[in-house]
Amino acid sequence: DAKTTQPNSMESNEEEPVHLPCNHSTISGTDYIHWYRQLPSQGPEYVIHGLTSNVNNRMASLAIAEDRKSSTLILHRATLRDAAVYYCILLNFGNEKLTFGTGTRLTIIP
Amino acid sequence: DTEVTQTPKHLVMGMTNKKSLKCEQHMGHRAMYWYKQKAKKPPELMFVYSYEKLSINESVPSRFSPECPNSSLLNLHLHALQPEDSALYLCASSPYTGTEAQPQHFGDGTRLSIL
Repeated sequence: DAKTTQPNSMESNEEEPVHLPCNHSTISGTDYIHWYRQLPSQGPEYVIHGLTSNVNNRMASLAIAEDRKSSTLILHRATLRDAAVYYCILLNFGNEKLTFGTGTRLTIIP
Repeated sequence: DTEVTQTPKHLVMGMTNKKSLKCEQHMGHRAMYWYKQKAKKPPELMFVYSYEKLSINESVPSRFSPECPNSSLLNLHLHALQPEDSALYLCASSPYTGTEAQPQHFGDGTRLSIL
């Protein structure tokens, strides 16, 4: 499976936008980019996924580089509830195996 | 509130005990999963069931025995566990399509402690 690289930790101020980067230089043409997050004492939560085009949903936006070797999860206005570990995961067409990396621990500063 | 319900939330058992973890979903999902998560580590996949059949076993020791009695229910039977098996056990489900990987919905897990 293609691997992803994320910073171990990031901090952001409350009510500011947050940009969480993910590098995936060995991504294949059929790999989807998925983001999950895990809040303290909870199971992981799906955030967003995409293939080539940028994606928006009620939780976040996903910006995918033109060469698909990197992507950025954007939280438009961070709240304290967004403090979590964010995982960027590549999933191939038809593959149901989520392989979590170490993720980015996001701290929100009040 | 999660749509995947796991019981019990906490379980303490001895190494000779037999216990079961239960997971339930009523979203009509046809794929269900068991993950194991050690403290401060990411979740690791253990088993995948697709249409009630075991499709993936990630070389999990036989002291863990999964069962999928119907499309809404997933069990994990535990027997003769070791202290290193103490972890958070997470269940997830997804609307398996066999094409684009669908988002997985996770429960909040069962925290298992082996004495």
